[in-house]
Amino acid sequence: DTGVSQDPRHKITKRGQNVTFRCDPISEHNRLYWYRQTLGQGPEFLTYFQNEAQLEKSRLLSDRFSAERPKGSFSTLEIQRTEQGDSAMYLCASSLIETLETQYFGPGTRLLVL
Amino acid sequence: AQTVTQSQPEMSVQEAETVTLSCTYDTSESDYYLFWYKQPPSRQMILVIRQEAYKQQNATENRFSVNFQKAAKSFSLKISDSQLGDAAMYFCAYTQGGSEKLVFGKGTKLTVNP
Repeated sequence: DTGVSQDPRHKITKRGQNVTFRCDPISEHNRLYWYRQTLGQGPEFLTYFQNEAQLEKSRLLSDRFSAERPKGSFSTLEIQRTEQGDSAMYLCASSLIETLETQYFGPGTRLLVL
Repeated sequence: AQTVTQSQPEMSVQEAETVTLSCTYDTSESDYYLFWYKQPPSRQMILVIRQEAYKQQNATENRFSVNFQKAAKSFSLKISDSQLGDAAMYFCAYTQGGSEKLVFGKGTKLTVNP
């Protein structure tokens, strides 16, 4: 059973560019979460999916951010017109409803906006 | 607002000794779950231990145990026989039953001295 994977692991981009990250959850996990972690802080919730439905979005998720989970499998997180303040680690996690809320995290995508 | 407070930004312990990391949380819900996650340097976050709020018995996982005081909304982590590999950031988090997002504290950086 492979864990949560994320791609790319690192991304450097220039301000104003668009970036897209991918997350592949643990097989059969029906919930998928995105978090953002800045230096010296704990992760902050961005959004989550149950199967293909996006059920909650944080106020942190401005209209420049969009997430999808087509077919309830992998998910993508896109940031349009990146800003320097978007520099952070973007973490993906997945869980199975039946396992009582335990979320398993991927290695993260570290974004640097120049 | 739902919050998690870790009052110790940094802690250190001698190898083979015991250390306790503190965590308090604030929620008005009665059904929730508490977690300790470990994030080693440049590595992904992994689950250390979890506690269901409805259970009075404190959770244990090998050298890791918790002291769950529901009335005081306190959830401390005790690491016994500390090992060099325990060095990491430790995050306390909780999620409400039937949900969704994890709410994290800011973390405690644990150093293990040989």
